[in-house]
Amino acid sequence: DQQVKQNSPSLSVQEGRISILNCDYTNSMFDYFLWYKKYPAEGPTFLISISSIKDKNEDGRFTVFLNKSAKHLSLHIVPSQPGDSAVYFCAASAWSGYSTLTFGKGTMLLVSP
Amino acid sequence: DAGVIQSPRHEVTEMGQEVTLRCKPISGHNSLFWYRQTMMRGLELLIYFNNNVPIDDSGMPEDRFSAKMPNASFSTLKIQPSEPRDSAVYFCASSLGQRPPYEQYFGPGTRLTVT
Repeated sequence: DQQVKQNSPSLSVQEGRISILNCDYTNSMFDYFLWYKKYPAEGPTFLISISSIKDKNEDGRFTVFLNKSAKHLSLHIVPSQPGDSAVYFCAASAWSGYSTLTFGKGTMLLVSP
Repeated sequence: DAGVIQSPRHEVTEMGQEVTLRCKPISGHNSLFWYRQTMMRGLELLIYFNNNVPIDDSGMPEDRFSAKMPNASFSTLKIQPSEPRDSAVYFCASSLGQRPPYEQYFGPGTRLTVT
């Protein structure tokens, strides 16, 4: 049973335009959500996070939006750059004395010049 | 800091052989995680340690898999005997305590191929 779902395996965007990556979850106990970026032959790197008590968090070109009622979050990249081409993973955390991350399967973003 | 270090980066072995993957977490981090990435299942958590103690190994696929953390700076994931279906990329990650937003720092991974 996938608790974190990224339904789009891939996304293509032109340089300068907005990239929107989506993520859905099922577990209401998740208290933090994180986005990771992964280049080929490298490990995932932390990008941005959001607490479940907020609906938006912004860091430079990256903004994450959270809609708790819909159990949906999205990552917006504006403007998109070719260097943003990577696989993006959505992850969620639920505190139960310890915290682990549950990852989606990822969305491959390709930003073309 | 050098980040999380994993070795080897690539491992090719024959079915039935023992495989040992190694991880050195970031100094000062007290939580360590082992993940497996496959196309079908994505990133799966296999086991995690807190202060060198295994907390949850429910993600370990079967008894052929074992993990140890003898000290704060070293962990191993062992597969014995290995099977072709174990072929995947194995990541080690570490984190500093259990503080929000709980971000983990990943190593570069070990690509395992079992023939």
